[in-house]
Amino acid sequence: DTAVSQTPKYLVTQMGNDKSIKCEQNLGHDTMYWYKQDSKKFLKIMFSYNNKELIINETVPNRFSPKSPDKAHLNLHINSLELGDSAVYFCASSRGFLGNQPQHFGDGTRLSIL
Amino acid sequence: AQKITQTQPGMFVQEKEAVTLDCTYDTSDQSYGLFWYKQPSSGEMIFLIYQGSYDEQNATEGRYSLNFQKARKSANLVISASQLGDSAMYFCAMREYEGGTSYGKLTFGQGTILTVHP
Repeated sequence: DTAVSQTPKYLVTQMGNDKSIKCEQNLGHDTMYWYKQDSKKFLKIMFSYNNKELIINETVPNRFSPKSPDKAHLNLHINSLELGDSAVYFCASSRGFLGNQPQHFGDGTRLSIL
Repeated sequence: AQKITQTQPGMFVQEKEAVTLDCTYDTSDQSYGLFWYKQPSSGEMIFLIYQGSYDEQNATEGRYSLNFQKARKSANLVISASQLGDSAMYFCAMREYEGGTSYGKLTFGQGTILTVHP
C-alpha cells in the first residue's frame, strides 16, 4: 500500500561508481520530484517532472540524470559519484504542480560514498 | 536571501502542553502556499498542514493548527496537547505560484527539532 516507494533504502558505494535510485508512486499523481537532504538536514529540490516532462532542473551537476519512463516512475541515475553526493535523496509526488496539493514523500534513500 | 526561516533550531515541550514552532517567509508573490512537514528519527517526511495565501481562516488539522499572519509573513505551527510521538524535526516549506517558473517546487526552512518530555 506504499504510496511513494524508493529503492534501495540504503546505498553504500565507492567514489567514481555509477548508481541508480528508483522511485514509483501509486497515487495517480502527475508530478514527481527529487529532493536532496544534506548532512545538516537541509532539503533542496533537484528535479521535477510533470507527465514525464522535465519542468524543474535546479543547478545540479550533469552527473545526475533523472528519467521518467511513465507518470508513475521517476528514477535518478548518478555517474562518477563523489564524496559530496553523500546525502539522503527523497522522491516525492503531487497531483499537479499548482494549487494546494501537498507533496507526498518516499522514505528516502541514504547514499553513502566511501 | 533566505526564503523560509525557522529561527528555533530546537524546542522542548512537556507532554500534554502546547508548543509553537516559528516560520517566517519571504516572497513577492501574492499567490503562494505554506506547508508543514514532520520528519521523525526514522527519516520519512510526513505532510501535516497547508495554508494558502488567500485563505482567510487559519488552517487546522487535528492537533495541528497554523497561525498565519500574512502582514508579518509568518506561518507558525501550533501543536496542541503534545505527545511523545511528536518528537521529530519539523519543516516549514513554501510553494510560490506566480511567475510561472516555480512549477510547484517546495522551498524548505532549516527545520526545528522538537523534543517532547514526559
